[in-house]
Amino acid sequence: GAGVSQSPSNKVTEKGKDVELRCDPISGHTALYWYRQSLGQGLEFLIYFQGNSAPDKSGLPSDRFSAERTGGSVSTLTIQRTQQEDSAVYLCASRPTGAGYEQYFGPGTRLTVT
Amino acid sequence: ELKVEQNPLFLSMQEGKNYTIYCNYSTTSDRLYWYRQDPGKSLESLFVLLSNGAVKQEGRLMASLDTKARLSTLHITAAVHDLSATYFCAVLMGGSQGNLIFGKGTKLSVKP
Repeated sequence: GAGVSQSPSNKVTEKGKDVELRCDPISGHTALYWYRQSLGQGLEFLIYFQGNSAPDKSGLPSDRFSAERTGGSVSTLTIQRTQQEDSAVYLCASRPTGAGYEQYFGPGTRLTVT
Repeated sequence: ELKVEQNPLFLSMQEGKNYTIYCNYSTTSDRLYWYRQDPGKSLESLFVLLSNGAVKQEGRLMASLDTKARLSTLHITAAVHDLSATYFCAVLMGGSQGNLIFGKGTKLSVKP
């Protein structure tokens, strides 16, 4: 079946602009995660959605970062007033309900802030 | 704060040799995951280890979990070039449906 998809695959933006990154999870997966991968920081958790519960935003690095998940499916990660240190690969993952399942990762969006 | 440490971070092996990658974590968790990442690609799930003493094998890779020692190992047997990739261990945080805390990854290069 279809895996996690993300768009765009690459995004180049100027410092100070806002960007939106999209994630389509695997159908039926109730949990959705955003991670960031950069050379200096490795893989970092950003935010987590589980069903209709309030999201766990504990990994968001600043208030310039926000995310929403509409209808329990598609998610959008928004970065406002981008900075060069935001350059990274942003990975989305989804997981079925229940213990023991792994997270399935999308191909990522490579963000470059110039 | 949960910390996950992998070693080595870089590993250059010859084909046919065996080696082990170690993953230590700092607080109690009974769920550990191993992922593989090829250059420019996303993360591919290799193993899910759910309990103390769990051992899983797939081809030339075998993973184990010791929750008392807070240690997981990924053992490579008779390495082949196709195993060249970066391997990450990750520990589940915040209960059965929480987020993952990743190690920094081990970049494996298998040379003929």
